[in-house]
Amino acid sequence: SYVLSQPPSVSVAPGETARITCGGNNVGTKSVRWFQQKPGQAPVLVIFYDDDRPSGIPERFSGSNSANTATLTISRVEAGDEADYYCQVWDSSSDHYVFGAGTKVTVL
Amino acid sequence: EVQLVESGGGLVTPGGSLRLSCAASGFTFSDASMSWVRQAPGKGLEWVGRIKSRPDGATPGYAAPVKGRFTISRDDSKNTLYLQMSSLKTEDTAVYYCTTAGNFYDWGQGTLVIVSS
Repeated sequence: SYVLSQPPSVSVAPGETARITCGGNNVGTKSVRWFQQKPGQAPVLVIFYDDDRPSGIPERFSGSNSANTATLTISRVEAGDEADYYCQVWDSSSDHYVFGAGTKVTVL
Repeated sequence: EVQLVESGGGLVTPGGSLRLSCAASGFTFSDASMSWVRQAPGKGLEWVGRIKSRPDGATPGYAAPVKGRFTISRDDSKNTLYLQMSSLKTEDTAVYYCTTAGNFYDWGQGTLVIVSS
């Protein structure tokens, strides 16, 4: 089955840039979504189709996807960005959706 | 405004059964593929399964850990999605979310299922 790999944690100072990677075999050929989840809350979609933002998501959130790595970039990080972030793809070979294990972003 | 409201969670003993419901409003439910996603305590998100819209055949699909034990169905006349869970195991303990499978944009608040003796 298809596997997505994320670093367990990323730490970043306020105002700096956080980059969260999502590795997978030829993930660049798939469409990646990214979700933000804060404690006790349902996930929120922040990026779809690799680099599109739903309405209401700040421009500080951006995505890229190439070869074997997709990346979520959060620019000018704020305290409110502290959360768990998950990448997700649809694996056509199994017709299953797959989530990465998640990355905890800590704002120092 | 889209709303997804899950219900039916609770405490169940191993080997038991439980049916979750997800009441949908604010969009054309019959045109939407829907998914269930779960999250065990302190763990990450796990896709459970999906059912396509009736125009697309209403075909269900399941993740390996639940295949053969869980059944996803829908009642478009009631705008409701269901998750029938049987032969429950302790590792099925989780918050269960329903979400619009086409884009995963809309999510319910989740319902907690605890499988314990």
